[in-house]
Amino acid sequence: DAGVTQSPTHLIKTRGQHVTLRCSPISGHKSVSWYQQVLGQGPQFIFQYYEKEERGRGNFPDRFSARQFPNYSSELNVNALLLGDSALYLCASSLTQGFGQPQHFGDGTRLSIL
Amino acid sequence: GNSVTQMEGPVTLSEEAFLTINCTYTATGYPSLFWYVQYPGEGLQLLLKATKADDKGSNKGFEATYRKETTSFHLEKGSVQVSDSAVYFCALSARGNQFYFGTGTSLTVIP
Repeated sequence: DAGVTQSPTHLIKTRGQHVTLRCSPISGHKSVSWYQQVLGQGPQFIFQYYEKEERGRGNFPDRFSARQFPNYSSELNVNALLLGDSALYLCASSLTQGFGQPQHFGDGTRLSIL
Repeated sequence: GNSVTQMEGPVTLSEEAFLTINCTYTATGYPSLFWYVQYPGEGLQLLLKATKADDKGSNKGFEATYRKETTSFHLEKGSVQVSDSAVYFCALSARGNQFYFGTGTSLTVIP
């Protein structure tokens, strides 16, 4: 079975632009979470979606938004890009939102802001 | 709040040496605890987990025990190999299954 897939792999944008990142969860997984990983740091939680509803949000500005589609895939949108948004964006899926379930990660989208 | 503190790296060991990577946590309630590994050029992979106090997670020769009294989840391996070279992340899962990660510990094993 395919794992979590993310697209694109790499992306270069300039300040002020908008970006959309995409994620397809493992088949059968209904929960998708997004993380930002700055170089040399651990992943920081951005959003969690379950059954197409937002179930959690980390400490990120309103420029960050996301949604989950009926097929459980997800998009992360970032508006008005800043240099500090340069990072690896990770998507993770789990079967449900159930406590203690391991999250399975994709390889990420590397976003560079010039 | 919820947070994870990991031992600072990088760590360099000779092959067959004993490995310990320290991890302590702060959490509201009773979290589940995880170790993830990131090999060079690859994504995060689940290494092991423990869901309640005194549980021991194990995989590929790695072990970690959930210690509620010391709020710790230290990663150990008795004999490391060159192929264990990677970055190791300790994480906790709180209510709603939101994950909180440590900063990661880079391990290099030399032959």
